[in-house]
Amino acid sequence: GIQVEQSPPDLILQEGANSTLRCNFSDSVNNLQWFHQNPWGQLINLFYIPSGTKQNGRLSATTVATERYSLLYISSSQTTDSGVYFCAVVPNSGNTPLVFGKGTRLSVIA
Amino acid sequence: DTEVTQTPKHLVMGMTNKKSLKCEQHMGHRAMYWYKQKAKKPPELMFVYSYEKLSINESVPSRFSPECPNSSLLNLHLHALQPEDSALYLCASSQVGYNEQFFGPGTRLTVL
Repeated sequence: GIQVEQSPPDLILQEGANSTLRCNFSDSVNNLQWFHQNPWGQLINLFYIPSGTKQNGRLSATTVATERYSLLYISSSQTTDSGVYFCAVVPNSGNTPLVFGKGTRLSVIA
Repeated sequence: DTEVTQTPKHLVMGMTNKKSLKCEQHMGHRAMYWYKQKAKKPPELMFVYSYEKLSINESVPSRFSPECPNSSLLNLHLHALQPEDSALYLCASSQVGYNEQFFGPGTRLTVL
C-alpha cells in the first residue's frame, strides 16, 4: 500500500519562529489533508490540498502531486500551535479512504 | 455547519459491560467513519459506511459492532471489550467518494 512519511517527527520552536513540515507519499493521490490534533485529541482540518498552494492566516500549504510531496508552513508560531500535525492521503488506486502519516509533534515554547 | 459531534466525551467500562458510542453530523454527508487512535499513534480506520451501508470493515473484532440508523447518525456498540481496546475513538464524515473528511472530538474509552 501507499507509504506516507512525515518529517521531522518532533520539533521544538521558540514562540515567533517559522517552520516547515514535510509529507512525502509513495504513490499518486486523489486527496491530501493536513490536520492539527490538539492536546485534547480533536483533529482540526487545516487544509484539503490535493495539489497547488493554499493559505489560511499564518498557515500555508503546498502540494506538488507530480513529485509526491506536500509542505505545511507555520509562520510566527504561537504556543497554541503545539500538538501533532498529521498529513493524510487518499491513494488513486485501491479502496482506502484515508492513510495517515505518523505525524510531526510540535512544541512551541514561550 | 462543519461540526461532527460525539458522545460521550469519556467512558469507563468493565470487560463485561455493554455500551455504545454515538456520532452525529448535519452536513448532509453520506459517508461516515469510525477510527481508533492509541497514544502517540495516528488514527486507524475501523469501519466505513456509505449511503448507510457498511462498505469497509478493517477486520475489526466482533466485540465492536457498528450501526448507521440514518444518514446523520453513526453508532458503535461495544461488548466484552479488553483493556487493550482502551483508546480514543474518532468519528468522521465526508461526501461519498473519499472527499474531505471532518472529525468529531472523539470519545476517550478506558476498559478496566
